[in-house]
Amino acid sequence: SQKIEQNSEALNIQEGKTATLTCNYTNYSPAYLQWYRQDPGRGPVFLLLIRENEKEKRKERLKVTFDTTLKQSLFHITASQPADSATYLCALFSGGYNKLIFGAGTRLAVHP
Amino acid sequence: DAGVIQSPRHEVTEMGQEVTLRCKPISGHNSLFWYRQTMMRGLELLIYFNNNVPIDDSGMPEDRFSAKMPNASFSTLKIQPSEPRDSAVYFCASGLAGEGSYEQYFGPGTRLTVT
Repeated sequence: SQKIEQNSEALNIQEGKTATLTCNYTNYSPAYLQWYRQDPGRGPVFLLLIRENEKEKRKERLKVTFDTTLKQSLFHITASQPADSATYLCALFSGGYNKLIFGAGTRLAVHP
Repeated sequence: DAGVIQSPRHEVTEMGQEVTLRCKPISGHNSLFWYRQTMMRGLELLIYFNNNVPIDDSGMPEDRFSAKMPNASFSTLKIQPSEPRDSAVYFCASGLAGEGSYEQYFGPGTRLTVT
């Protein structure tokens, strides 16, 4: 069966460190993968998109990698700040399904 | 741009009542999505429209749920009759389907409580 797995446990890190979140998937062949941020009481906000033929994508302090062999995406926030505390969702687009499938999300807490 | 607008923001209703959720997508977007989010099941796609036409409603849980998009600037999600297990946050999102444009823009959500 198809699965998207994100670490259900919250990730707690110290301000200034790099946060790394993981998204693993099985039985999908996604054409691209997206990462969203969700704050409590709000809708998800798009952050980054990476295509299957791209290994890495960067945007300011954010970096995403996409390994289609390992079926894994890593999401990095460098020089993390307390304002980065939120839940981060990965989402796969698979041409066969023509829609986004979201993971359950990982909650990140950055402590001063 | 005001972003995706949803109403109401909160809805409390009794079991058996009809509930209508409303969404105004971002002007110019041609795709619209309805999601439901719960702690147990996460964010689930219920239905999506392209150019006002329903493309995939396989996520609609049962016949009690229906969605319409009469024009490019308005969509509704209706639950009739509502049940306590429908309690969730319902999000509407819009996007511009096309080469290189796949991100979705979410509204603030409607928190539905069915007692």
